[in-house]
Amino acid sequence: AQSVTQLDSQVPVFEEAPVELRCNYSSSVSVYLFWYVQYPNQGLQLLLKYLSGSTLVESINGFEAEFNKSQTSFHLRKPSVHISDTAEYFCAVRTQYNFNKFYFGSGTKLNVKP
Amino acid sequence: ETGVTQSPTHLIKTRGQQVTLRCSSQSGHNTVSWYQQALGQGPQFIFQYYREEENGRGNFPPRFSGLQFPNYSSELNVNALELDDSALYLCASSLVAGNEQFFGPGTRLTVL
Repeated sequence: AQSVTQLDSQVPVFEEAPVELRCNYSSSVSVYLFWYVQYPNQGLQLLLKYLSGSTLVESINGFEAEFNKSQTSFHLRKPSVHISDTAEYFCAVRTQYNFNKFYFGSGTKLNVKP
Repeated sequence: ETGVTQSPTHLIKTRGQQVTLRCSSQSGHNTVSWYQQALGQGPQFIFQYYREEENGRGNFPPRFSGLQFPNYSSELNVNALELDDSALYLCASSLVAGNEQFFGPGTRLTVL
């Protein structure tokens, strides 16, 4: 079975500081990895995804994540956060074989302070 | 292009009642997945519909059931509501089963 662990339930950070949101997964087969962002009272929006190829993937708003197969991790990073990045971030995986099921972590609330 | 829409936005029910939640998928998407997001938790997969057939199910009891219509819209039905069913219910559609999923804003269900 697959599982996703987001170790930090809340991450407070000051504006313009760097941030890393951690995600570890457990799976016996190859996986695809995703980060979603959820703003208050809204649904989830895809931030970035790793399907194959380069292990470093980037989003249009400055976030990046690196797939590390040996560490079974897919940590999300941003070198300089903005107030508008305040939201909840979810890491998700699905296997390459059970394509109809996504497994989500419990989420990390990023709180950017001025 | 219209995104994924869900109705109603909010719903209050009492224990034992039945509820139907609705989802309109993004134009052209033939796959719809339903998730339950309890307060402070990540979304949990309920089931998925592909071309009007159930295409996988998570660890939810049979009182959670669904339908997909020829226009690919979908319904989630929950019978015999329990207090623990209180959650945000998210619908997600995709073009091909397993590809990137586009989420709707959700329906917040409160069971009293």
